[in-house]
Amino acid sequence: GNSVTQMEGPVTLSEEAFLTINCTYTATGYPSLFWYVQYPGEGLQLLLKATKADDKGSNKGFEATYRKETTSFHLEKGSVQVSDSAVYFCALSLSGGSNYKLTFGKGTLLTVNP
Amino acid sequence: EAGVTQSPTHLIKTRGQQATLRCSPISGHTSVYWYQQALGLGLQFLLWYDEGEERNRGNFPPRFSGRQFPNYSSELNVNALELEDSALYLCASRSGLAGGETQYFGPGTRLLVL
Repeated sequence: GNSVTQMEGPVTLSEEAFLTINCTYTATGYPSLFWYVQYPGEGLQLLLKATKADDKGSNKGFEATYRKETTSFHLEKGSVQVSDSAVYFCALSLSGGSNYKLTFGKGTLLTVNP
Repeated sequence: EAGVTQSPTHLIKTRGQQATLRCSPISGHTSVYWYQQALGLGLQFLLWYDEGEERNRGNFPPRFSGRQFPNYSSELNVNALELEDSALYLCASRSGLAGGETQYFGPGTRLLVL
């Protein structure tokens, strides 16, 4: 079946540090890949996405590149801010039989200290 | 453009009761998905509705059911509530147009079963 594995947290960084959250996937077919962010007490917000191999998604200084050869979609940011503190979820979806339902990783809690 | 809305924001029920959760999708979106985010279990796909029909369901018992109305809003019903049904229930909508692979989430309904 389809699955997403992301690095276990929690991750604690100082402001302006470099962030990497690893994400790898297993899928039958060619999935679309997503990073969602969940701030405390809120729902999920789409952070970025990529729909085919070698695509790079980017938003708010975050980036992730769809790597088909390594089945990965690692999230990076060059300089984190306190306001980036949240839970980050990597997810995939497939068209066809899976009908775009999202399969999520377990989430990574990021805390950024001033 | 208004996002996905959900009501109520919080719901407290006792074991054995029924809960009804509501979701209004983004205008123009025809697909609605429901997910459960229970503590320690991550985000699990529950149900998918499209054009008024249930199209797919996750690994949940039949007491989880719902429907989609002609205006594409949706309702999730949970019968015979159990303590482990306590969770954040997230609704997401997706455009049915080609290339509409992204799901946009509402703020969620937090259900507490006592």
